[in-house]
Amino acid sequence: EPEVTQTPSHQVTQMGQEVILRCVPISNHLYFYWYRQILGQKVEFLVSFYNNEISEKSEIFDDQFSVERPDGSNFTLKIRSTKLEDSAMYFCASSESTSNQPQHFGDGTRLSIL
Amino acid sequence: GQNIDQPTEMTATEGAIVQINCTYQTSGFNGLFWYQQHAGEAPTFLSYNVLDGLEEKGRFSSFLSRSKGYSYLLLKELQMKDSASYLCAVRDEGTGANNLFFGTGTRLTVIP
Repeated sequence: EPEVTQTPSHQVTQMGQEVILRCVPISNHLYFYWYRQILGQKVEFLVSFYNNEISEKSEIFDDQFSVERPDGSNFTLKIRSTKLEDSAMYFCASSESTSNQPQHFGDGTRLSIL
Repeated sequence: GQNIDQPTEMTATEGAIVQINCTYQTSGFNGLFWYQQHAGEAPTFLSYNVLDGLEEKGRFSSFLSRSKGYSYLLLKELQMKDSASYLCAVRDEGTGANNLFFGTGTRLTVIP
């Protein structure tokens, strides 16, 4: 069964550094998403992406964050000047459409900011 | 805004049936999803409801009442591997058709 893949599985970064999290969505999916989950808390929506542009973003997704689809397969989340509170599990998800099709999640990248 | 409530923890016995409830308040409604999440792993899709009623899928069933803002996930013939968090997520048409708003999840422990 096709799956969403994320790399790296764990990223440790010094505060203030930039980090790029990578995702390969399921190949025939058109909608891509990033979510984060701080340890012990709920999954929170960050951003959705369709047709090579952001379709929605949450209040969390401020100027520190950006997303890109640099080629036909990768979908990246960049965090500039990381802060301690950015430490979380970051999940990429994709879906075929926005109707009754579920979002399929990758295994996540655990980001630890020191 | 969105408000999604689930019990924090539940315990049930292997072989039994358990019902996990979810209530929600959203400015618009465009579907409710249930996901299973084992500790340290990704959420995996279980079920989807957009119309009132029961959707059955093997040992798992999900029910929706839009007028009451209420859903439940029913797990039958519980197995030890069902120990996980169960996440209720609502797609809110009021903010756009794409993103999901998650509850805090219900941590289910299945005991022998």
